[in-house]
Amino acid sequence: RKEVEQDPGPFNVPEGATVAFNCTYSNSASQSFFWYRQDCRKEPKLLMSVYSSGNEDGRFTAQLNRASQYISLLIRDSKLSDSATYLCAVIKRGSARQLTFGSGTQLTVLP
Amino acid sequence: NAGVTQTPKFQVLKTGQSMTLQCAQDMNHEYMSWYRQDPGMGLRLIHYSVGAGITDQGEVPNGYNVSRSTTEDFPLRLLSAAPSQTSVYFCASSSGTSGRGGQFFGPGTRLTVL
Repeated sequence: RKEVEQDPGPFNVPEGATVAFNCTYSNSASQSFFWYRQDCRKEPKLLMSVYSSGNEDGRFTAQLNRASQYISLLIRDSKLSDSATYLCAVIKRGSARQLTFGSGTQLTVLP
Repeated sequence: NAGVTQTPKFQVLKTGQSMTLQCAQDMNHEYMSWYRQDPGMGLRLIHYSVGAGITDQGEVPNGYNVSRSTTEDFPLRLLSAAPSQTSVYFCASSSGTSGRGGQFFGPGTRLTVL
């Protein structure tokens, strides 16, 4: 079983839709959580950190569920420019900030 | 700030050749790392460094060497290239306070080994 798992998609949604991705992690010692966005043939870019109490950045909301060991990303009012691959990543306690990534979820927002 | 820079952007090697992928950051980040990204495999950590003079292995270190003589630079050396090393290589850096450990990535090097 992979340490960090994501549904690869693709998710095809119309503009204006709300879409949610989940990411599960297997190591209960995971302590820091992130969502990255990666455009085709580009580098991953940090979208947001995920805090225990949940956090919001504009149209994006991230949640952490430690009991069930998953994080989620909710995108409201999807824009064409949101089309990308979304990667989740975790850092295990004591791992010297080593990121373990999921394989990514592909999102296409359709006009 | 240029952020994290990588050179070259593209490289083609023959099996058995060696080369160095360059990575530099101007953010005074103490933590730097190298990943490779392959279709269906996601990003996998090759080597990382928590500061100048300190390096350690990640998930897939075989066939690669690193050194960290300065805070700014973290080159990745391929000792004897193999077709299995065909991949996209990303360098990343972070400080203890950047997004609680979230890393910033360079633009990548696309390597093909024939």
